[in-house]
Amino acid sequence: TQLLEQSPQFLSIQEGENLTVYCNSSSVFSSLQWYRQEPGEGPVLLVTVVTGGEVKKLKRLTFQFGDARKDSSLHITAAQPGDTGLYLCAGERDYKLSFGAGTTVTVRA
Amino acid sequence: EAQVTQNPRYLITVTGKKLTVTCSQNMNHEYMSWYRQDPGLGLRQIYYSMNVEVTDKGDVPEGYKVSRKEKRNFPLILESPSPNQTSLYFCASSYKGIRNSPLHFGNGTRLTVT
Repeated sequence: TQLLEQSPQFLSIQEGENLTVYCNSSSVFSSLQWYRQEPGEGPVLLVTVVTGGEVKKLKRLTFQFGDARKDSSLHITAAQPGDTGLYLCAGERDYKLSFGAGTTVTVRA
Repeated sequence: EAQVTQNPRYLITVTGKKLTVTCSQNMNHEYMSWYRQDPGLGLRQIYYSMNVEVTDKGDVPEGYKVSRKEKRNFPLILESPSPNQTSLYFCASSYKGIRNSPLHFGNGTRLTVT
């Protein structure tokens, strides 16, 4: 059983559309990290959110940490083919990091 | 260039033949960790090390060994590999633990055990 559940598992959209990826847990985390992984490479950190209710923006990407620090979302506005990849959330608790299974995002040109 | 280097990138071996996957980082990071990535399961931590000569089990340590004799190196050892250890392995490092410093990942080692 995954400590962090990501949904959806797969997402395929047209260029210019918006998308949201969800990361949910019944556990409380000290911080929540989002990574993007491309084929043949390791995950690369996008953002870390640490405060309940926190919203962080990274160009067209918006990350939100739930008020109770149990869940998070990643919203991409006007998606581009370069956004294609595997998006992973990871929750930190007691100095240990637990990853979700990931959401594979495909943006079609 | 700051990086985490894993070798080899691909490895095919047979059941029971001992193997080592090397990991080296050039960023003077204290924290290093090994993960395995399997479809539908995400990344699961095998072992981690907070500093030289300090190692601890992660979530799935069975069948693996590690050592941290030097700060830059953190090899993963499979004494007697089995087919259920077929997976994509990642080494990662961070400056000081994972709470306030980002993890830097290597490019992975794809291991197949037949």
